Amino acid sequence: AQKITQTQPGMFVQEKEAVTLDCTYDTSDQSYGLFWYKQPSSGEMIFLIYQGSYDEQNATEGRYSLNFQKARKSANLVISASQLGDSAMYFCAMRIFGNEKLTFGTGTRLTIIP
Amino acid sequence: DGGITQSPKYLFRKEGQNVTLSCEQNLNHDAMYWYRQDPGQGLRLIYYSQIVNDFQKGDIAEGYSVSREKKESFPLTVTSAQKNPTAFYLCASSILGEYKSTEAFFGQGTRLTVV
Repeated sequence: AQKITQTQPGMFVQEKEAVTLDCTYDTSDQSYGLFWYKQPSSGEMIFLIYQGSYDEQNATEGRYSLNFQKARKSANLVISASQLGDSAMYFCAMRIFGNEKLTFGTGTRLTIIP
Repeated sequence: DGGITQSPKYLFRKEGQNVTLSCEQNLNHDAMYWYRQDPGQGLRLIYYSQIVNDFQKGDIAEGYSVSREKKESFPLTVTSAQKNPTAFYLCASSILGEYKSTEAFFGQGTRLTVV
């Protein structure tokens, strides 16, 4: 069975600092994808970044980067130069290619302090 | 514009009643998903479907039912057997079958309250 673990229920970070949100996963499958989503208080889900299990380089999208350590089964999200608008819930998710089950972690509530 | 539409946005149900949440997509996606989110919590998978007329139970399927008669539509019925149905329900869809950034697209959600 696949499982996503996010151990930080909440984080407070000073504006303009970098922040790392932790995500570990568990699966016996070799072909999978890892995703990060942002959920503001409005409830919408915003896709941020993707990492494939066979990708050798860490994914980057603007201020977002994914620190992928396959042997440790971790896929941490790094946000550089945090902004007030980054305050939201952040979810890590995993999808097994083939059976298409998409599983989410419990999320981390990030609050940026001015 | 392509996207996923969930309706209604807010839904009130009396105890003991079944209620159906609508989810329609015009993105030509094969995979569709239903999630439940409780306040301050993560998304828990209820059901998912890869193809018309086929679907699989997620992690919390008890008390829920789905159908997939059309590619575009994946309605969720919350039955009276669901003991605590008050929650935020999110529908999502994605393409499948390829190893690439096939992120799921989400609807705006339906907030169900049992009164």
